[in-house]
Amino acid sequence: GENVEQHPSTLSVQEGDSAVIKCTYSDSASNYFPWYKQELGKRPQLIIDIRSNVGEKKDQRIAVTLNKTAKHFSLHITETQPEDSAVYFCAASIGRFNDYKLSFGAGTTVTVRA
Amino acid sequence: GAVVSQHPSWVICKSGTSVKIECRSLDFQATTMFWYRQFPKQSLMLMATSNEGSKATYEQGVEKDKFLINHASLTLSTLTVTSAHPEDSSFYICSAPPGLAGLGWQETQYFGPGTRLLVL
Repeated sequence: GENVEQHPSTLSVQEGDSAVIKCTYSDSASNYFPWYKQELGKRPQLIIDIRSNVGEKKDQRIAVTLNKTAKHFSLHITETQPEDSAVYFCAASIGRFNDYKLSFGAGTTVTVRA
Repeated sequence: GAVVSQHPSWVICKSGTSVKIECRSLDFQATTMFWYRQFPKQSLMLMATSNEGSKATYEQGVEKDKFLINHASLTLSTLTVTSAHPEDSSFYICSAPPGLAGLGWQETQYFGPGTRLLVL
């Protein structure tokens, strides 16, 4: 089955600096890669996602890059702000396309220091 | 669009009782819903896939007789934790992809707010 590894497990950055979280996956059939942000006690919120036919996607301060050959994808947050502090999860699709199942990484706790 | 609700938001029960959690898609029909369990400071662990009109499929290691899933309609899935014990205390979250509802990518999973279960 799909195995998603996420690094680092914790990340502390100074406000205004960039944060980068990296994930690797094992199933070459995976073709959908979302990123979720979860604040304490809240639901995971989709922040950006990418499909395998695209190498990079950007939405304001957030960007995701995908290297399908190497089976890794990364989340980049620029100009970090205190409200970016949360747990971030990467995920990769598993199974057949219309199964819609996801395998999640272990999560990265991001702390933005003011 | 793509709003998922969950009820109740928290529940405290005595050991041995059963607890039912509801997951609803509010603005789209969901033929598939997912149930996850999340322990403190851990990731989301998929428990089962809820399929409208057919039996749920459970992940390895999840007891189907303990975690009963019913997908009664295209907007409602329920998870019943039967004979709950303290080790079942956790944060239970459902999600639903919009599929062909026209609300973005069909495979994007939108999460409910979660249900915090505490079994005494």
